[in-house]
Amino acid sequence: KNEVEQSPQNLTAQEGEFITINCSYSVGISALHWLQQHPGGGIVSLFMLSSGKKKHGRLIATINIQEKHSSLHITASHPRDSAVYICAAQFYSGGGADGLTFGKGTHLIIQP
Amino acid sequence: EPEVTQTPSHQVTQMGQEVILRCVPISNHLYFYWYRQILGQKVEFLVSFYNNEISEKSEIFDDQFSVERPDGSNFTLKIRSTKLEDSAMYFCASMDYPNEQFFGPGTRLTVL
Repeated sequence: KNEVEQSPQNLTAQEGEFITINCSYSVGISALHWLQQHPGGGIVSLFMLSSGKKKHGRLIATINIQEKHSSLHITASHPRDSAVYICAAQFYSGGGADGLTFGKGTHLIIQP
Repeated sequence: EPEVTQTPSHQVTQMGQEVILRCVPISNHLYFYWYRQILGQKVEFLVSFYNNEISEKSEIFDDQFSVERPDGSNFTLKIRSTKLEDSAMYFCASMDYPNEQFFGPGTRLTVL
């Protein structure tokens, strides 16, 4: 069964702290997505990766294909980073239009 | 910057009524998706659509659901006879393969 697990479910940290959110998945994937969901509900794509590491500003995403594990890091965290961060996997289905399987999300609060 | 749009933002309907949720994907994208998120739960994949046909669908996407691309711009999700449990936020997404998916702002469906 295709599953995505995230940890932690909730994370509260102080401004400036280094944040790590973890994601593991059950079987082989074609891509791993990190998404951000704000209180209003909108979903924004942060990263899509299938190997290695990507960086955008203070956000870094890594993936280890052999261990079926990905991490999202936030450096120098800021209150505006407060949001729900979601890991989602594109499992192989033989077609290009694979739907995403989502984790439950990590609710991050950065306190000033 | 191009974006996915959805209408309406909020739809209230009576149980048993038909609803049509509308999406305008990004114009050069060829892959389209519908997802839903029941309040307090994770996002779930409903269906993907490519080349004017359904590419993949989940167990949730039963005979009460249908999708259509009636013209060159719109992508619709129809629920024929709504149930209370259909109340959720419905997200449309589009993709220019093999890149990230872009999500619309969502339609909140409330079934009374």
